[in-house]
Amino acid sequence: AQKITQTQPGMFVQEKEAVTLDCTYDTSDQSYGLFWYKQPSSGEMIFLIYQGSYDEQNATEGRYSLNFQKARKSANLVISASQLGDSAMYFCAMREGPLNAGNNRKLIWGLGTSLAVNP
Amino acid sequence: DAGVTQSPTHLIKTRGQQVTLRCSPKSGHDTVSWYQQALGQGPQFIFQYYEEEERQRGNFPDRFSGHQFPNYSSELNVNALLLGDSALYLCASSLGGFSYEQYFGPGTRLTVT
Repeated sequence: AQKITQTQPGMFVQEKEAVTLDCTYDTSDQSYGLFWYKQPSSGEMIFLIYQGSYDEQNATEGRYSLNFQKARKSANLVISASQLGDSAMYFCAMREGPLNAGNNRKLIWGLGTSLAVNP
Repeated sequence: DAGVTQSPTHLIKTRGQQVTLRCSPKSGHDTVSWYQQALGQGPQFIFQYYEEEERQRGNFPDRFSGHQFPNYSSELNVNALLLGDSALYLCASSLGGFSYEQYFGPGTRLTVT
């Protein structure tokens, strides 16, 4: 069964430093996608970054990068130069299977990691 | 460009009552997914609508039902509310099958007393 595991319930980081949030996954599919979302206290899920299982390069989006290690089934999020506004819950999620018309597969989510950025 | 909108933002209901939550997808999107997020948990997939049909369903009882309208907006209905239905209900929209991104709305926080 597909599963996402986030082993860090809470993390602290000093402003301007980098932080890595861990995510491991389990799937028998060859084709899948991995996502990271940020959820501030307001509740809205904000898309951060995506990595496809066949992508050879690690995904990067501004200060966010995804350390994708397929053999280890890990997809850790690295946030560089942390800012106070980065304080939030961070969720790793997986979409199993390829994209097909009318079949945008559901996301399976981890329990999240609460990140606190200290000034 | 309007993002995903949900209404209402907050709702308080009594056990046994019925509730309807609404979602308007991001402009240009035709697929709507609903998730339930209990306090301290990750979201759980309820169901997904595309072309006005339920295409996928998570492990939720029949008390949870939905609908998608021709303009792609969607409703989530929950009958016979239980205390355990108290959660944040998130709606996500996407372009059916051709976009890996799902855009989420701000959610509806439902409290069942």
